[in-house]
Amino acid sequence: GAVVSQHPSWVICKSGTSVKIECRSLDFQATTMFWYRQFPKQSLMLMATSNEGSKATYEQGVEKDKFLINHASLTLSTLTVTSAHPEDSSFYICSARDRRAARTDTQYFGPGTRLTVL
Amino acid sequence: AQKITQTQPGMFVQEKEAVTLDCTYDTSDPSYGLFWYKQPSSGEMIFLIYQGSYDQQNATEGRYSLNFQKARKSANLVISASQLGDSAMYFCAMREGLSNQAGTALIFGKGTTLSVSS
Repeated sequence: GAVVSQHPSWVICKSGTSVKIECRSLDFQATTMFWYRQFPKQSLMLMATSNEGSKATYEQGVEKDKFLINHASLTLSTLTVTSAHPEDSSFYICSARDRRAARTDTQYFGPGTRLTVL
Repeated sequence: AQKITQTQPGMFVQEKEAVTLDCTYDTSDPSYGLFWYKQPSSGEMIFLIYQGSYDQQNATEGRYSLNFQKARKSANLVISASQLGDSAMYFCAMREGLSNQAGTALIFGKGTTLSVSS
C-alpha cells in the first residue's frame, strides 16, 4: 500500500515560535495533499487542500497567514504554524491522494504530528 | 445537515464475535465514494475498505465487509471475528464526485469507538 510519512511525530514549542510539519508520500506521487486537524476524541477537520505548484485552498475559518502550506514537489507538502499559541495545540494529520488508485481515489494518511504549545 | 452520520459513539464486543458499525450519508451527487478508516490510539489513520456509488457488489477486504444499501444511503462496516487489536476509533468518510476529480477532500463522520474484550 501507499506510504505517507510525517515529521516530526510530536513537537513541543514555546508560544510565539513557528513550527514546520512535513508530509511526504514515500512511494507515489501526490498531486494533491490534504491537511487536517483533530482534537481529542473528535473527528478530523479539514484545514486546507494543497496542490503541487499552486496555492493551497483553505477551508472557511482557517487563517492562511497562520497556517502556511507549501506543496513544493510531488512528494512533499509542508504546514508551518506561525507564531504558535496554546490554542494551536492539536493533532495535525496529512493525507495524500494516490492517483494510481484511480478507481477508488483512496487517500492515505500520515501518522500525524502532535503539537503542544506552552 | 451532516453529510456523514455515525450514530454509535461507542461499541463493545467480545473477541471472535462480529460487529456492525453504522454509517449513513447524505449527498445529491450520483457519483461518490465511501471509505472506512481505523484510528488506533497511536493516531495514524488506516484505510480499511472502499465502496463506490456505482459498485454493484458490497466491498470486502479480509475480515472487513461493507453493507452498502444505496436506497437507504447507508454504508455499514461489518467486522467479523473481532480481535483485541481491532479496538480503535473507526471513521466513515465520503468523497463526493468522480474519483478522477482533483482536490476532492473527504468528509468524515464523528467516529465510533470500538472496544473488543477477551
